[in-house]
Amino acid sequence: DTGVSQDPRHKITKRGQNVTFRCDPISEHNRLYWYRQTLGQGPEFLTYFQNEAQLEKSRLLSDRFSAERPKGSFSTLEIQRTEQGDSAMYLCASSFHATVGTGELFFGEGSRLTVL
Amino acid sequence: AQSVAQPEDQVNVAEGNPLTVKCTYSVSGNPYLFWYVQYPNRGLQFLLKYITGDNLVKGSYGFEAEFNKSQTSFHLKKPSALVSDSALYFCAVRAGSGGKLIFGQGTELSVKP
Repeated sequence: DTGVSQDPRHKITKRGQNVTFRCDPISEHNRLYWYRQTLGQGPEFLTYFQNEAQLEKSRLLSDRFSAERPKGSFSTLEIQRTEQGDSAMYLCASSFHATVGTGELFFGEGSRLTVL
Repeated sequence: AQSVAQPEDQVNVAEGNPLTVKCTYSVSGNPYLFWYVQYPNRGLQFLLKYITGDNLVKGSYGFEAEFNKSQTSFHLKKPSALVSDSALYFCAVRAGSGGKLIFGQGTELSVKP
């Protein structure tokens, strides 16, 4: 079990550029979550997938944000036309959901985005 | 809507003393409650969870949490703090059927030698 892996760990970009983050969940986990965390705040939910289906998106996820999980394994989070307000840590988490889902989420180390 | 509140931004404790990090919750239905710890520039690590059963839940690194339904609280505790416990602690509640967690604002724990 290698845990949840995120890439890149750090990304510095200029305003207006597009960025993409990748998340590889724990292999047997069927649910994958994206969160955003800014300094001094708790993680904020963005979206989640069950297998390849995106089941919920937060209002925080503007039209410039898109997430995919094409084969129900890894996921990507793309931010188009980045703004300085997008600067944050983007956290990915995974869990195994059965009929009664009470499992904890396992988090990756995060991808830190700095928009100049 | 489900929510959690962590009323203290920071808790300072001397090494060897007991520590408490407070959390209150608001949910409809049965609460599923969690504690996570975050070290600088790292992801979140799971400490413990309450789903049902005993009100005192034991978790990793000697931490435990007490569920109190009448006070809608889920305080994190440890009998004897270590300097290495210094970190950011988050309380969370499960929201909806999707399993997502809603996190509190976090409490920074500082343990001094």
